[in-house]
Amino acid sequence: LAKTTQPVSMDSYEGQEVNITCSHNNIATNDYITWYQQFPSQGPRFIIQGYKTKVTNEVASLFIPADRKSSTLSLPRVSLSDTAVYYCLVGSSGSARQLTFGSGTQLTVLP
Amino acid sequence: GAVVSQHPSRVICKSGTSVKIECRSLDFQATTMFWYRQFPKQSLMLMATSNEGSKATYEQGVEKDKFLINHASLTLSTLTVTSAHPEDSSFYICSARQGLGTTNTEAFFGQGTRLTVV
Repeated sequence: LAKTTQPVSMDSYEGQEVNITCSHNNIATNDYITWYQQFPSQGPRFIIQGYKTKVTNEVASLFIPADRKSSTLSLPRVSLSDTAVYYCLVGSSGSARQLTFGSGTQLTVLP
Repeated sequence: GAVVSQHPSRVICKSGTSVKIECRSLDFQATTMFWYRQFPKQSLMLMATSNEGSKATYEQGVEKDKFLINHASLTLSTLTVTSAHPEDSSFYICSARQGLGTTNTEAFFGQGTRLTVV
């Protein structure tokens, strides 16, 4: 399973755009990149998933360069409620494959 | 999206007793479910993979006789912490992925269970 490296923590202010970058140098050809959000004492919640280039949904965008050795989660106009731990996961497909969590990034949104 | 329900959300038990945690996939069938443990300020650590109709696969360092996993149906997996001790106090989270085969699918997580052993 590909190992991921993320910043331990980040601070931002309300209304700003936040970009969290994840490194995954040994990503395999069939690996997808998935980001999860976790609030204290709750299970992780799916944010976005991608394989290459750019993916956008109603809450975030995911940018993946051509070499796929890194990815950037972009949260537009964050609010206080976006304060959480964000995990970048890289793994192969298949419903029977477990997800391996890295250390995650603690995002703190300040007023 | 699909829902994974975990019960109870919080439990306090006495040292030496056993506690059962249930994980249900509410609107899809999950042949495989995963159990994680999370200590304060730490990431999720995979404990075991629960397979419907067969034995669970445990990660290195996880005692299978202490953490009993039963996946009796396609929608229910249970984790029983036997003879619990204070060091077993943690946040336990289950997960399931929808779909079969090689199609990549997102994982859905339960709400987690806060276990406190006193």
